[in-house]
Amino acid sequence: TQLLEQSPQFLSIQEGENLTVYCNSSSVFSSLQWYRQEPGEGPVLLVTVVTGGEVKKLKRLTFQFGDARKDSSLHITAAQPGDTGLYLCAGARGNMLTFGGGTRLMVKP
Amino acid sequence: GAGVSQTPSNKVTEKGKYVELRCDPISGHTALYWYRQSLGQGPEFLIYFQGTGAADDSGLPNDRFFAVRPEGSVSTLKIQRTERGDSAVYLCASSLTPKTSSYNEQFFGPGTRLTVL
Repeated sequence: TQLLEQSPQFLSIQEGENLTVYCNSSSVFSSLQWYRQEPGEGPVLLVTVVTGGEVKKLKRLTFQFGDARKDSSLHITAAQPGDTGLYLCAGARGNMLTFGGGTRLMVKP
Repeated sequence: GAGVSQTPSNKVTEKGKYVELRCDPISGHTALYWYRQSLGQGPEFLIYFQGTGAADDSGLPNDRFFAVRPEGSVSTLKIQRTERGDSAVYLCASSLTPKTSSYNEQFFGPGTRLTVL
């Protein structure tokens, strides 16, 4: 059982569409990270959110941390084929990470 | 600069055999982590080293799994009497000395894909 639930598990969209991925938990975390993982590689950190209600933007990606620091969302605007990959959220307590099950995104040209 | 490296990249073994998976962390990183990622799932924590000692091994599934880091750098994950259910990608990550009040970014290696036939 994953402490962090990600939805949707799979998402296939056309280039140019917008999408949102959700990461929900009943537990409070000191921070939450979003990673992207390509096949045959390890996860690569995209962003860390720390403060409840925090919003961070990374080009076309917008990350939000819930007020209660239990949930987060990742919104991608005008998705591109290069955004294809596995997106993972991970909650931190101290130096320990708990990962969600991941959202596999495919963006078709 | 070199990132985290893991060897071998792929390992195929037979049920019941013993395997060792190696992780070379980023130079200067005192913290080292092992995770297991099954197909279609997120990484699952196995064990965390701070220096030479295992600070948290609560994620090891059973006593067939063991990890060492004798000199505080390279780590080896050892699996005895492998079972088909052990098949997964084993990821290693390293980070700087952890701070009590903040999180240090973990840098992941490419993983070792273990297949137990």
